Amino acid sequence: EAQVTQNPRYLITVTGKKLTVTCSQNMNHEYMSWYRQDPGLGLRQIYYSMNVEVTDKGDVPEGYKVSRKEKRNFPLILESPSPNQTSLYFCASSLQGGYVAEAFFGQGTRLTVV
Amino acid sequence: QKEVEQNSGPLSVPEGAIASLNCTYSDRGSQSFFWYRQYSGKSPELIMFIYSNGDKEDGRFTAQLNKASQYVSLLIRDSQPSDSATYLCAPEGGAAGNKLTFGGGTRVLVKP
Repeated sequence: EAQVTQNPRYLITVTGKKLTVTCSQNMNHEYMSWYRQDPGLGLRQIYYSMNVEVTDKGDVPEGYKVSRKEKRNFPLILESPSPNQTSLYFCASSLQGGYVAEAFFGQGTRLTVV
Repeated sequence: QKEVEQNSGPLSVPEGAIASLNCTYSDRGSQSFFWYRQYSGKSPELIMFIYSNGDKEDGRFTAQLNKASQYVSLLIRDSQPSDSATYLCAPEGGAAGNKLTFGGGTRVLVKP
């Protein structure tokens, strides 16, 4: 089954404790991205990757890191989480960025930083 | 001005009526326009895309695009309670390049 898998689905952590949210897709998609969703602010793109070893900042990259060492995986790293990073996070992939490419989303990760 | 603007709603429509959702965007170079549906607590899923001016119909959904006015809309005919969700507009291309930028979404409530 074609899918984007995020883990964990729920995470409660403390300020400053490094964490990684994993994202994996099995559709051989080139394009992957991370979004955060907050009430009243919609979906905002954090980082995106056009292909292996190619990443770029989205609209809200501060406090986040990503890497794309393999085509299928695109982890999101919070080196020192803060309470303002409490949010619902989505990973998405598409065949390519732009030009009528449907984005497939993971199930979401609800992160709480206390 | 936000890049993509949608009325947050909620847009309340009776069952069987037409729901009309609007989206305006600022980047004149945007090429393609996507409508995603998101149920509460779930991930967005694509329901329509359009890239030519005019109307595009798919079942009970019709997308309308007017690039001159930088306006895209979504009509849901014969609205059902299962259509109650948030609908996200996402233009693609143009100056934003490979960034897929979403509007804040319009929440639709279909009342039986």
